[in-house]
Amino acid sequence: AQKITQTQPGMFVQEKEAVTLDCTYDTSDQSYGLFWYKQPSSGEMIFLIYQGSYDEQNATEGRYSLNFQKARKSANLVISASQLGDSAMYFCAIDTNSGYALNFGKGTSLLVTP
Amino acid sequence: GAGVSQSPSNKVTEKGKDVELRCDPISGHTALYWYRQSLGQGLEFLIYFQGNSAPDKSGLPSDRFSAERTGGSVSTLTIQRTQQEDSAVYLCASSLTVVTSTEAFFGQGTRLTVV
Repeated sequence: AQKITQTQPGMFVQEKEAVTLDCTYDTSDQSYGLFWYKQPSSGEMIFLIYQGSYDEQNATEGRYSLNFQKARKSANLVISASQLGDSAMYFCAIDTNSGYALNFGKGTSLLVTP
Repeated sequence: GAGVSQSPSNKVTEKGKDVELRCDPISGHTALYWYRQSLGQGLEFLIYFQGNSAPDKSGLPSDRFSAERTGGSVSTLTIQRTQQEDSAVYLCASSLTVVTSTEAFFGQGTRLTVV
């Protein structure tokens, strides 16, 4: 069974600074996908970035990058140049054997301060 | 529609009553997913649809939960004889296909409170 662990329940970062949100995973599959979603106070889940287990390069999407260390089974999200609008819950997830459902971690609450 | 739409946004119901939660996916998306998010927790997968078919219902918490999808579009999640532990945010998502979850778009959820 797949499992996602996010050890940071809450994080603070100052505006314009970079922040790293930790995610470790456990899976017996050779092929899998890792995802990060943002959930603002409005409640919807916003897809941020995806990393396939066979991708050799770390995924990047604008200010978001995924620090993928396969041997350590970690997939940390790095947000550069934080903005006040980045304040939200952030969830790491892994796709299951079935490929249609995601296993989510418990999330990290990020607060960006002026 | 422009995005995944869920209704109602909030629902307060008395213990023992039945509730229906509605999800209107993005037009053209054949796959539809239901998740539950309890307070302080991540998302728990409930059920998915490919078209009108739900191949795997094992994620539903109990036989009080059921879901259907008609016309390959709108889906309804029904909870019968609600219990306090059913209180949670119910999130719906849709994607073009079930091949990958990369393109799943979520609605804003229905916050269910059972009193």
